[in-house]
Amino acid sequence: DAGVIQSPRHEVTEMGQEVTLRCKPISGHDYLFWYRQTMMRGLELLIYFNNNVPIDDSGMPEDRFSAKMPNASFSTLKIQPSEPRDSAVYFCASSSRGTYNNSPLHFGNGTRLTVT
Amino acid sequence: GENVEQHPSTLSVQEGDSAVIKCTYSDSASNYFPWYKQELGKRPQLIIDIRSNVGEKKDQRIAVTLNKTAKHFSLHITETQPEDSAVYFCAAPGGGNKLTFGTGTQLKVEL
Repeated sequence: DAGVIQSPRHEVTEMGQEVTLRCKPISGHDYLFWYRQTMMRGLELLIYFNNNVPIDDSGMPEDRFSAKMPNASFSTLKIQPSEPRDSAVYFCASSSRGTYNNSPLHFGNGTRLTVT
Repeated sequence: GENVEQHPSTLSVQEGDSAVIKCTYSDSASNYFPWYKQELGKRPQLIIDIRSNVGEKKDQRIAVTLNKTAKHFSLHITETQPEDSAVYFCAAPGGGNKLTFGTGTQLKVEL
């Protein structure tokens, strides 16, 4: 199993540009999570999906952020327009049955986003 | 939602000593408590977890204890080694499948 795969590993963009982060969960996992990690705020849950359906997006900072999961093997997190305060490491994680059912999260290697 | 508090924020120990990291949570319905280790520049990785129906779980040099009455749980690392140096995060479910993380503990094991 290749684990959770994220791309790109690093993204540097200018303020105002659109950024798209990609994630491929572990095959067979029903839950997919997007987290953001910064020194100031730690690990924050942005949104999570169950069987490709968004369940809770209350952590999405504002309308500039959007996430989709068109199928069981692919998800995107888009920021449009990007701002310097969006600079962070964005992690995707998947879980076979969800944490409610005591199933752990498996994290990808993350995308380090820098907005200048 | 769930509120998870973790301390200390930094911990320095001598190689071979024990390290203890403590967390408290607010949601009495929480029933699953994982611990993650994150090395510099890498992803968080699960090192141990505990369910609410047990009070303690061990895996070699690592153990986790849970006190549901007091709503706190702790990570214990014995015989620490330099490779244990990392940031450790506790977590608790914050309703449904929302895993809320603590603020992290930077553990440094000195030779």
